[in-house]
Amino acid sequence: KNEVEQSPQNLTAQEGEFITINCSYSVGISALHWLQQHPGGGIVSLFMLSSGKKKHGRLIATINIQEKHSSLHITASHPRDSAVYICAVRSGNTPLVFGKGTRLSVIA
Amino acid sequence: NAGVTQTPKFQVLKTGQSMTLQCAQDMNHEYMSWYRQDPGMGLRLIHYSVGAGITDQGEVPNGYNVSRSTTEDFPLRLLSAAPSQTSVYFCASSQELAYGYTFGSGTRLTVV
Repeated sequence: KNEVEQSPQNLTAQEGEFITINCSYSVGISALHWLQQHPGGGIVSLFMLSSGKKKHGRLIATINIQEKHSSLHITASHPRDSAVYICAVRSGNTPLVFGKGTRLSVIA
Repeated sequence: NAGVTQTPKFQVLKTGQSMTLQCAQDMNHEYMSWYRQDPGMGLRLIHYSVGAGITDQGEVPNGYNVSRSTTEDFPLRLLSAAPSQTSVYFCASSQELAYGYTFGSGTRLTVV
């Protein structure tokens, strides 16, 4: 089973800061997902990637397949970015394996 | 589109009671799955289905049953509730395993 580790577990930032959340995994994968869980509990899919980099608004996700590592960056952070960010990986046709999440708080 | 609909949103059960958590999607997704989320742990897979009539066990299947008689519905049954099943349950669907996932809003279950 793939082991997914996220760091940091908790992160507090001032509004406007550049934020990086890291995800590493133990076994080669087919795809990596980044998800956002709002304070109210709902889970939204942010990115699915298998190589390179993807960008959506202020969010950027990168992956290095050789190093088994992905990062989620948030530029110009805002209090509404406060959420739990979850990394999940898929190997072949197996279901997703999830990390424990990174809790982000952005203070105005 | 409603997406993935989970009912109920909250439920309190007594130990030993049975109940069914409902999950329905209107996106004609083949893949559906149930997860539980506990404090300090990542989402853990309970059961999943790759299409109508096909189900398989995930990481933590004990105490739960599922069936997939239609593409749209994937109910999760608790046979005899135990306090260890107190958790938040999420249903998710995807066109295929290789695609992005859509999550339901979750069911917070407390077993007393």
